[in-house]
Amino acid sequence: EDQVTQSPEALRLQEGESSSLNCSYTVSGLRGLFWYRQDPGKGPEFLFTLYSAGEEKEKERLKATLTKKESFLHITAPKPEDSATYLCAAEHTDKLIFGTGTRLQVFP
Amino acid sequence: GAGVSQSPRYKVAKRGQDVALRCDPISGHVSLFWYQQALGQGPEFLTYFQNEAQLDKSGLPSDRFFAERPEGSVSTLKIQRTQQEDSAVYLCASSPGRLEQYFGPGTRLTVT
Repeated sequence: EDQVTQSPEALRLQEGESSSLNCSYTVSGLRGLFWYRQDPGKGPEFLFTLYSAGEEKEKERLKATLTKKESFLHITAPKPEDSATYLCAAEHTDKLIFGTGTRLQVFP
Repeated sequence: GAGVSQSPRYKVAKRGQDVALRCDPISGHVSLFWYQQALGQGPEFLTYFQNEAQLDKSGLPSDRFFAERPEGSVSTLKIQRTQQEDSAVYLCASSPGRLEQYFGPGTRLTVT
C-alpha cells in the first residue's frame, strides 16, 4: 500500500536550535517528493520538489534532501516565524499522498 | 498574480442539507485537484481534473460527493445530504501540468 509517514509528530525547538524532520515513503513509481508548510487556518504552501535520490534543495533556513526511501527537511537556526506544520507528500499517478505532518514550534 | 481562491471560506450545514464549494484556480492552470483534510491529518485526495475532464475520482468517499469543471476553469465540489463525518476542510489545488500543486485557503465545512 502506498504510504507516507512523518516523524516526529511534534517538535519543540529553541530559537537557533537546528534539527531535522523525517519523511519515509513506500510509493511505487514515485515521480516526485514534495514539502509544504501549513499555517493554522491556511492551505499548504509549496516549499520544495525533489525528483531523484541524492537531490538537495535549499530555501533560506530550510534544506530538503531525498534518498530512495526517505526525505529530510533540515532546519538551520530556526526562528519563531518558522513555527508551522510541515507536510511531506509523494506524487503517485498525478495525485499527492500526504503524511500527517510535523507540528514545529520554535520558542524565542 | 492571484493564487487559488475558494469560497465560501466557512460553511455550516445542517445534516441532510446539500452544499456546493467553489474553487477558482490560478489562471491557465490545466490541472485541478480536490482534497479533504480532517483535523490534525494531512490532506487526502478526492478527485482530479485535467481541463474539463475528470480523470480520477477514486478518492470520493461516497456517491453523495460530486465534482465538476464544465469549462476547464472554475470547479465546484458538491456534497448531497451532508453527514457529520463530512465535516472537514476541503482544499483545492491547481497545477500548470504534472508539477507542483498550489493550494487555496480551503473551505471549512461543519455539519451540525
